[in-house]
Amino acid sequence: IVMTQSPLSLPVTPGEPASISCRSSQSLLNGNGYNYLDWYVQKPGQSPQLLIYLSSNRASGVPDRFRGSGSGTDFTLEISRVEADDVAVYYCMQALQTPYSFGQGTKLEIK
Amino acid sequence: EVQLVEAGGGLIQPGGSLRLSCAVSGFTVGSNYMAWVRQSPGKGLEWVSVICNGESAAYADSVRGRFTISTDDAKNTVFLQMDSLRAEDTATYYCAREVPPPLVGNHLVSWGQGTHVTVSS
Repeated sequence: IVMTQSPLSLPVTPGEPASISCRSSQSLLNGNGYNYLDWYVQKPGQSPQLLIYLSSNRASGVPDRFRGSGSGTDFTLEISRVEADDVAVYYCMQALQTPYSFGQGTKLEIK
Repeated sequence: EVQLVEAGGGLIQPGGSLRLSCAVSGFTVGSNYMAWVRQSPGKGLEWVSVICNGESAAYADSVRGRFTISTDDAKNTVFLQMDSLRAEDTATYYCAREVPPPLVGNHLVSWGQGTHVTVSS
């Protein structure tokens, strides 16, 4: 399954919203009704960490400024008000079937 | 507390072999799905392999037939045996734990700090 993210670079003014798109080459809807699409964030110099799982569930400790949505082949990660600490690369990953696959990553930077 | 600590990276010549390890604490590797993800310098993330409850395994097309994932319950450790290494295998290799059953999904809930592998002559 091929994952395609856009944009690949995202300059954002603090306090403004941001949105990242992720599209899969086939549906990620499992027979159990869940979309097996996850979002990860990798801050500079750090390991990746889980941000959103099963399309729309925030991982433990993730602020509600982050929202995941979408179903089937089209997914979106939204940040309602960007903060300086959000500077990172954001990846979507399909975990429906092996081999799992990541999007190319979206680098969020502060204007 | 859940911890994953990778080791075994280093400089290796093309065609050589290396075995990475991921020592785990806070849970049992044999009862979980454990994965390896890599990141080439300045590049994005690439899923490499997963082992399910210490038994069945799956691999990325780019490493299938060259890499082997395994677990050692006594050491509570996950291994990645890498053979026939190529320059394009140069990367930081991360060990990660999938969400444990009975929770739904295959998301990677815990990650190690990574170990770097350089394949070069």
